[in-house]
Amino acid sequence: AQSVSQHNHHVILSEAASLELGCNYSYGGTVNLFWYVQYPGQHLQLLLKYFSGDPLVKGIKGFEAEFIKSKFSFNLRKPSVQWSDTAEYFCAVNAAGTASKLTFGTGTRLQVTL
Amino acid sequence: DTAVSQTPKYLVTQMGNDKSIKCEQNLGHDTMYWYKQDSKKFLKIMFSYNNKELIINETVPNRFSPKSPDKAHLNLHINSLELGDSAVYFCASSLLSGVYNEQFFGPGTRLTVL
Repeated sequence: AQSVSQHNHHVILSEAASLELGCNYSYGGTVNLFWYVQYPGQHLQLLLKYFSGDPLVKGIKGFEAEFIKSKFSFNLRKPSVQWSDTAEYFCAVNAAGTASKLTFGTGTRLQVTL
Repeated sequence: DTAVSQTPKYLVTQMGNDKSIKCEQNLGHDTMYWYKQDSKKFLKIMFSYNNKELIINETVPNRFSPKSPDKAHLNLHINSLELGDSAVYFCASSLLSGVYNEQFFGPGTRLTVL
């Protein structure tokens, strides 16, 4: 069975600070990896995804993530956060090549202060 | 031009009642999902349908019954509502025959059981 761990539950940063949110997964096969963002009161939006190829993927709004296979990690980064990045961030994984369920981490609440 | 839509957005009801949530997607996808997000923001798969056929059925009380009249619709009916059913329910869709299984989420239905 798949599982996803997000170690940072609540992160508070000042504007312009750099961000790194950890995500580790557990699965025996090939996976697809995703980061979703949920702004307050809104639905999930896809930030970025990794399926294959270059392990450094760039998403929307200046976010990027790096897949490190040996560490089973897919950490999310942003060089300089903005107040508007305040949201809940979810890492998710599913088995590659199938219409399988997404398994989500518990989420990280990011609060950006002015 | 909504891709995945859900109705209603908010649902407040008494314990013991029966209610339904509707989901529609206009993306031409063939697979649809229901996820439940609890009060701690944890997201968990409930059901998935591919071409009107149930393909994922997690451990969910049988008071929950999904119905898919066609590929574009997946409804969720809940009988004898309990306090613990209070949550946000998200519908999602994806394309099984595609290379990737990127899931697109609806805006969510916030269910409150009193």
